[in-house]
Amino acid sequence: GDSVTQMEGPVTLSEEAFLTINCTYTATGYPSLFWYVQYPGEGLQLLLKATKADDKGSNKGFEATYRKETTSFHLEKGSVQVSDSAVYFCALRNTGGFKTIFGAGTRLFVKA
Amino acid sequence: DAGVIQSPRHEVTEMGQEVTLRCKPISGHNSLFWYRQTMMRGLELLIYFNNNVPIDDSGMPEDRFSAKMPNASFSTLKIQPSEPRDSAVYFCASSPTGYDTQYFGPGTRLTVL
Repeated sequence: GDSVTQMEGPVTLSEEAFLTINCTYTATGYPSLFWYVQYPGEGLQLLLKATKADDKGSNKGFEATYRKETTSFHLEKGSVQVSDSAVYFCALRNTGGFKTIFGAGTRLFVKA
Repeated sequence: DAGVIQSPRHEVTEMGQEVTLRCKPISGHNSLFWYRQTMMRGLELLIYFNNNVPIDDSGMPEDRFSAKMPNASFSTLKIQPSEPRDSAVYFCASSPTGYDTQYFGPGTRLTVL
């Protein structure tokens, strides 16, 4: 079945450091790929998405590129801030499907 | 615009009691999802409604769990009787259609003693 694997956390960085959170997926067909973020005490909210191969999703300085050849959708940010501390979830939804498959989440701590 | 509204935000109950969680989706959204989040199992889809009709309830853990959506603006998730292993954060999410971005509520943190 479809699945998402993301790097285990926690990830601890200093402010202004470069961030990469790895995500790979297994899916039949041509899924849409997502990154959601969950701040403490809140629900998940969409950070960015890509719907086809080679698309790049971007938002708030975060980017991720849909790589079909490596079945990956790694999240990157050039300079993290303390306010980026949260849990990040990689997810996929297959074509024509309603079910979104979430990864286990990666907790990010950013130190001042 | 108001987002997805869930109540209560926190619920503490004793084993064997009935628990009812409530959700008001975003107006105009016709799809609604209930999720459960735990450290051990991550985020699990419990049930999906489309136009108030349950489409997939394969994630509902057992008969103690039931969900209803009597109209487009309200849904409930009921656990009867509750058990300590039901302790988790329960999220409701809505979507314009089943194939769009999901918008999550703030969650209900349930503790069963």
